[in-house]
Parts: sequence; structure tokens; C-alpha cells
Amino acid sequence: DTEVTQTPKHLVMGMTNKKSLKCEQHMGHRAMYWYKQKAKKPPELMFVYSYEKLSINESVPSRFSPECPNSSLLNLHLHALQPEDSALYLCASNVRENSPLHFGNGTRLTVT
Amino acid sequence: AQTVTQSQPEMSVQEAETVTLSCTYDTSESDYYLFWYKQPPSRQMILVIRQEAYKQQNATENRFSVNFQKAAKSFSLKISDSQLGDAAMYFCAYRSDSGGSNYKLTFGKGTLLTVNP
Repeated sequence: DTEVTQTPKHLVMGMTNKKSLKCEQHMGHRAMYWYKQKAKKPPELMFVYSYEKLSINESVPSRFSPECPNSSLLNLHLHALQPEDSALYLCASNVRENSPLHFGNGTRLTVT
Repeated sequence: AQTVTQSQPEMSVQEAETVTLSCTYDTSESDYYLFWYKQPPSRQMILVIRQEAYKQQNATENRFSVNFQKAAKSFSLKISDSQLGDAAMYFCAYRSDSGGSNYKLTFGKGTLLTVNP
């Protein structure tokens, strides 16, 4: 069982849709991450939140908008995505930024 | 910039046998961590083992052990008594310990391990 919960598990959306991915952890971790993973490739870092503040944005297009409402929750808002944005989106957290990462099971996103 | 290289895109092993996955890395730093992550078809990235660069002793976690050669910048993973549940994509990863944005993980391209019954 994963201690980092991601919903939904699967999402299919059109290029004009607006949707959100949700990530939740109750381990008291203060750093949370979004990664994008294409098939048979390693994860690529998108965003890092530390103590609910955005600390790293890896030059991700603005059609991806992260939000950290509280220390347990991290959202990724999606708008006007492209088919090439189809991927597995992984959320992760750790106690602080130099601790081991705990990953969720990911959301498989398909953009049509 | 740090790089991590996994030279074996795919490996296979017979159940109960031992297999070694290779990983090399390039860095100019002296303080860092190395990790092996496992990603089964369930998609979750699971930490298998980690090694602090300042420790000479190789890390061990049950059937999983590493051969850390700091001078050679090599960090291989040995899986003993392989089980069907070990079948997964294995990623080697590097993380600096110098702070700031350097806490991000740098992953290798992965090795797909198949375990044959």
C-alpha cells in the first residue's frame, strides 16, 4: 500500500478540457513533488513544493498549474493540454528535501 | 551537471538465481546519495536501497545489496535469490547533498528486469 495517494488513477481528457490531479499524504512530509514519466523513460521533475511554497519549477509550460492548499495536499491543474502531454504523472513527498522520496501510484493521463 | 548511466536496457534472471544491475555516474561533488528504485507494473516507484557517499560500507537490504566503488563512480545492485516479484524496471538515481535545487534526483534510463520461473 502506498502512503502517497493519487487520484484519479486514469484520466482521459480533450485538449480543451480543464481537469485536476490530486495528491495527498498524511506522513507529515513538508516537501511534495510532481514528476512526469513517459513510457519506458525515467521520471522528469516538474515542480517541488517545500513548506507549501513553490521552490522549483523546471520550466514547465503554463498549461500545468500546481497548487499546494496545505501541507498534506498537492494538486496539478491541467488546461489546454497537448497530446504529447500524455504520460504517467507521479507525485512524491519526503520529510524534507534531502530525505528519501515516497512515490504515489501515479495518474495515467491521456490527452485526445 | 551530474549524469547517471545504466548500460543494460534489459536483463533477465532465473528464479532463485542472482543478478547484478550496473550503474555508473559522473559528478564532481564529494557529498551525495545514490539510490536504486524499483517500478513494477503497478507503477509505484519503490525505494530499494540507498547509499551515502561518505560511507565505505556497502548498503544491504535483505536480498538486495550494492557494490559502491566511489573512485570508479560505480554503483551496481545485486539481487540474490531472485523472486518473480522482483520483475520490474529498476532506476539508479543520484542526488547531491549540497543543498538548494541540487536536492533533485537525477535518474538513469532504467533497466527492465525479467524473472523467469
